[in-house]
Parts: sequence; C-alpha cells; structure tokens
Amino acid sequence: GAVVSQHPSRVICKSGTSVKIECRSLDFQATTMFWYRQFPKKSLMLMATSNEGSKATYEQGVEKDKFLINHASLTLSTLTVTSAHPEDSSFYICSASAGRVTEAFFGQGTRLTVV
Amino acid sequence: AQSVTQLGSHVSVSEGALVLLRCNYSSSVPPYLFWYVQYPNQGLQLLLKYTTGATLVKGINGFEAEFKKSETSFHLTKPSAHMSDAAEYFCAVSGDGNQFYFGTGTSLTVIP
Repeated sequence: GAVVSQHPSRVICKSGTSVKIECRSLDFQATTMFWYRQFPKKSLMLMATSNEGSKATYEQGVEKDKFLINHASLTLSTLTVTSAHPEDSSFYICSASAGRVTEAFFGQGTRLTVV
Repeated sequence: AQSVTQLGSHVSVSEGALVLLRCNYSSSVPPYLFWYVQYPNQGLQLLLKYTTGATLVKGINGFEAEFKKSETSFHLTKPSAHMSDAAEYFCAVSGDGNQFYFGTGTSLTVIP
C-alpha cells in the first residue's frame, strides 16, 4: 500500500506554545487529507477534512482557531495546535487519500504531550 | 447516516484458537466496510475492506470478514490466533466514500 508519513511521532511541548504536526504522502498525490484525534482506549474522532488548496472542513465541536490545518500541496498537510494546553494531549493521526476514503492510508500517529 | 457497533471492547483467546471480532453497522446506503489494526502508539493498518462484489473478503495476516447484509454485520475472523495478533482492532463504515465512521475498538489479547 501507499505510504503516509507523519512527523514527529512524539512531541512534548510547554503549555501555551504551538506545535506543528506534518503529514506527507510519499508516493501518491493526496487530494484529501483527514485529521483524527484518539483518546486513550477510545475510537478515532474525525477533526477535519482538508482538500488541497482549499480551507479545511472542521467537524462540529472542533475549534478551527486552535487546530489550524493547512493543505498547501498534494503531498503535505499540517496540523498546528496553537496555544496548547494539557487537555490537548492526545494521539493525533492523519490519513491521506487520492480520492475516496476507500483508498485512504493512515500515518503512524503523533503522541502530543503538553506539560 | 452511518454508524458502527463493535460488540466486546475486550476479547481474549488462546494462542491457536479462533478469533472472532464482531462488528455491526448501520447505513442508509450500500456501505463500504473496513477493518483496521492498531498496535500501541502506531497508526492504523488496513486489514481488509469490502466495497462491492464477493461478500467474503480475505485480508492480510490470515484475517477474513464476511459482509452479511441481512444481518448488517461484518465480523472479523482468523482461524488460529498468533501472539502477534494482540492489538486493537477497529471496524469502520463509509457510506459515501468520503468519510469514515469508526467503532470504539476491540482490544484483542492472545493468551499463550
């Protein structure tokens, strides 16, 4: 299957700072990228969907000003957690698709810890 | 609208025994169905998927699942569990191909 690379795999940041997570499709052009958040022992919660060159579509309850998503190219999407707080600590996973979710591939995830 | 219910948040089997992880779905349109596996602190790896065609789907690592429309089910099975199968398993449905709806996951423990 195709490869989606997520970086960093782990990050620790201080409360109040911002942190950027990158999601790259290495061997295909991802017209659509999805960002998920996973709480311990919980399922994945879709945060937002982004199409290359367009503004991301956020799910209800997700603060768009706090979780900034940029999908500037067909191989890269970034999620920036702004003014991070301890409650933002979580596992964030991206997935990328050249079209429909039936062809989506997932990144390895990023463990964010805000101290 | 689509949704997925995974019965049993934890399943334990002995090594060599049958693995059965249950998934029931709800969808107002013909669904696409998926099973993913997640190892600790890792992303999701696709085990198998049903889109159209044959209802018995074979995936990686000896897993298979059968789409049963009459039962709205897509249970995951493996004839003989291996220690390396211990992980979290997620069932997911997509109705329009544009968004996943995940179940809450089933943690599989394999007892030696």
